[in-house]
Amino acid sequence: NAGVTQTPKFQVLKTGQSMTLQCAQDMNHNSMYWYRQDPGMGLRLIYYSASEGTTDKGEVPNGYNVSRLNKREFSLRLESAAPSQTSVYFCASSEYRMGGLGEQYFGPGTRLTVT
Amino acid sequence: DQQVKQNSPSLSVQEGRISILNCDYTNSMFDYFLWYKKYPAEGPTFLISISSIKDKNEDGRFTVFLNKSAKHLSLHIVPSQPGDSAVYFCAASGGDDKIIFGKGTRLHILP
Repeated sequence: NAGVTQTPKFQVLKTGQSMTLQCAQDMNHNSMYWYRQDPGMGLRLIYYSASEGTTDKGEVPNGYNVSRLNKREFSLRLESAAPSQTSVYFCASSEYRMGGLGEQYFGPGTRLTVT
Repeated sequence: DQQVKQNSPSLSVQEGRISILNCDYTNSMFDYFLWYKKYPAEGPTFLISISSIKDKNEDGRFTVFLNKSAKHLSLHIVPSQPGDSAVYFCAASGGDDKIIFGKGTRLHILP
């Protein structure tokens, strides 16, 4: 089991460029998430998908779009990158269990720099 | 408005002693709480969780305590070991599929 994989690991973009961050999980989880981590800000939820075919906004969705391509894959798109989107992006997946939402499994992260 | 607060950005503890990390929440709809550990350049990894129907959950050296009336939870690590040096995130969910994280506390275990 690879768990949660993310590509690319690193990316440098110029302001205004677009790109898609890819995420895949092999644990058959229904829920998938995108977070960004900035110094002193912790992990902030961008978008999440409770199941295939559904997506919902999190705390900081502006400037991003997502696609839940199938149960395994959940991509994050920056249509016109801005320096404020420089961050480390984490994808995660989880499944319900007795007592509530189960723990999330995180990918290794994508470090994005927008110049 | 921050719904999950970790008010101590960092904490230093002597090896072998107890580490206590604190977390407060504001949303009374939260009913499931989790702690994650993160090393540099890696994704967070799950440590321990607790449902709101309990006030304590223990797993080896890690114990989480929940005080619902105070909207406060804490993570105890006993005894602290060098490998415990990391950033610890408190997180909460409330019946939907969202998990909201605090800003994290950096734990330093001193030799």
